[in-house]
Amino acid sequence: GENVEQHPSTLSVQEGDSAVIKCTYSDSASNYFPWYKQELGKGPQLIIDIRSNVGEKKDQRIAVTLNKTAKHFSLHITETQPEDSAVYFCAAWMDSSYKLIFGSGTRLLVRP
Amino acid sequence: GAVVSQHPSWVICKSGTSVKIECRSLDFQATTMFWYRQFPKQSLMLMATSNEGSKATYEQGVEKDKFLINHASLTLSTLTVTSAHPEDSSFYICSARPRLAGKGETQYFGPGTRLLVL
Repeated sequence: GENVEQHPSTLSVQEGDSAVIKCTYSDSASNYFPWYKQELGKGPQLIIDIRSNVGEKKDQRIAVTLNKTAKHFSLHITETQPEDSAVYFCAAWMDSSYKLIFGSGTRLLVRP
Repeated sequence: GAVVSQHPSWVICKSGTSVKIECRSLDFQATTMFWYRQFPKQSLMLMATSNEGSKATYEQGVEKDKFLINHASLTLSTLTVTSAHPEDSSFYICSARPRLAGKGETQYFGPGTRLLVL
């Protein structure tokens, strides 16, 4: 069935260190993989996305990598700052069912 | 760009009443809007998909007679929770998919509506 697994569920890093969040998807037909940041009491905010014809994408301190063969993708945040603290969700778009399937979320805490 | 608004941001109502939540795409037209529900410390659960001018498609387990969706225009979708009960208390979030070439499956989310049913 359609499933996206996300790890870890919580992640605590020191300010300035890097953070990595990993996701695995089940549907090999998935072709679009966005990452969202959700702050407490707010809606998810799209921070970066990648399509299946690209292996890596970078936007300043944020990067996403995609391994289609292994069906996993990762979010990398470098030089973390306290304002990066939030819950991050990965997702995979299912063309077959026309919907986004979300991971379970990672609560990131950046310690000053 | 790509701003989605929701109204109201929070609502408290008595059990048995109906509540309407509006979702608007402010600076783009949306071919499709999605409604999600999120319980505390959990992920987003898709409730239904709505396309402008057609009936919404509901996910398994979501009662279409209880959660009425109307997608009247390319910038507005509404979710009405009918005869709300305490178990309907949750954070309701909409998203909109732009009708722009090349945007593909990109969805932009609203700020959410917190519903508390007493």
